[in-house]
Amino acid sequence: EDKVVQSPLSLVVHEGDTVTLNCSYEVTNFRSLLWYKQEKKAPTFLFMLTSSGIEKKSGRLSSILDKKELFSILNITATQTGDSAIYLCAVRNFGNEKLTFGTGTRLTIIP
Amino acid sequence: DGGITQSPKYLFRKEGQNVTLSCEQNLNHDAMYWYRQDPGQGLRLIYYSQIVNDFQKGDIAEGYSVSREKKESFPLTVTSAQKNPTAFYLCASSYFGGEETQYFGPGTRLLVL
Repeated sequence: EDKVVQSPLSLVVHEGDTVTLNCSYEVTNFRSLLWYKQEKKAPTFLFMLTSSGIEKKSGRLSSILDKKELFSILNITATQTGDSAIYLCAVRNFGNEKLTFGTGTRLTIIP
Repeated sequence: DGGITQSPKYLFRKEGQNVTLSCEQNLNHDAMYWYRQDPGQGLRLIYYSQIVNDFQKGDIAEGYSVSREKKESFPLTVTSAQKNPTAFYLCASSYFGGEETQYFGPGTRLLVL
């Protein structure tokens, strides 16, 4: 059974801090790993990672995948209150289009 | 505007009642998905469909049913057999194959009276 574990489950930091969110996985026929941000309702797509060691970056957010150790991290630098959200990690395998999600990390940024 | 719409935003179900959640997309996506989100449990896949007139069970299909008669539409029925239906339901869609990601609708919150 495919499995995705995210840590920590919740995190509270002050504005301006840097945070690292973790996602580890056990998936047969790994294809890609995706990060989503969920503020209130619909999760919005952040990154898709398929290759090890290649950092994807968007503004203050970045993410990297390690296919040997089966994990990914999502970094957010100089955090702002607008970064408060649930961050979801999901993996997809070859053979079908299903995503298996982790439980998410709830990030709260205190002004 | 291209996107995924879900209705209603909130839905109340009486015991023993079947209710249907609507999901429509105009993104010309082949595949559509239904997820359930409970606090502390992330998203769990209920059903998914990769082409019209075909669908597969996800991880928690019991007590739910779907249909895919049109490419744009993938309604989910929560039947009376689903004993704990209170949750946030999210619909998503994507192209089939390739490296396309899934895009989500705004969700429907189902509450049991």
